[in-house]
Amino acid sequence: NAGVTQTPKFQVLKTGQSMTLQCAQDMNHNSMYWYRQDPGMGLRLIYYSASEGTTDKGEVPNGYNVSRLNKREFSLRLESAAPSQTSVYFCASSEAFQQYFGPGTRLTVL
Amino acid sequence: GQQLNQSPQSMFIQEGEDVSMNCTSSSIFNTWLWYKQDPGEGPVLLIALYKAGELTSNGRLTAQFGITRKDSFLNISASIPSDVGIYFCAGPGPSGSRLTFGEGTQLTVNP
Repeated sequence: NAGVTQTPKFQVLKTGQSMTLQCAQDMNHNSMYWYRQDPGMGLRLIYYSASEGTTDKGEVPNGYNVSRLNKREFSLRLESAAPSQTSVYFCASSEAFQQYFGPGTRLTVL
Repeated sequence: GQQLNQSPQSMFIQEGEDVSMNCTSSSIFNTWLWYKQDPGEGPVLLIALYKAGELTSNGRLTAQFGITRKDSFLNISASIPSDVGIYFCAGPGPSGSRLTFGEGTQLTVNP
């Protein structure tokens, strides 16, 4: 039982490049989330998916897209990376309000 | 929208000392959650509080759900080096599953 897994762990991009961050959970949770965490700041919600087939914007959705591929997987896509998107990205899943987090992806955009 | 304010923002303490931190909200919460984030890891749930006035312990950690339902407190007794990390409070918004997080309290424990 791996919980929430994220790939890759680290990534360096050049401005304008695109990439997809992958997230999978094996707890059969309905809800999944993508957050970003910047130094000295808390967790800010980018997008979430309350159930398979639905996605909604969070607090900071600009510059990102998401796909809820199935119940297990929720991916985050940066179409044209910008330096302001340098951050640590966390995926989480939940049943009710107790969220379980993945280990994070550390992204640097040059 | 809902906001959670945590204080202090950071703490530097000696091993063995007790720690107190708190979280306040501009609106009422029906549930309070406390998470800990170890360096380089994702947050992990420590304690969940469901009722105003509730006091819940998890080892050396004790959390309380404030009577006004607008605040919560976390205490750590006899701190040890592995207590280092960021402590977040969180509460569910009107939709239920979405959480609002505080900005965190960074704890440093000097051996």
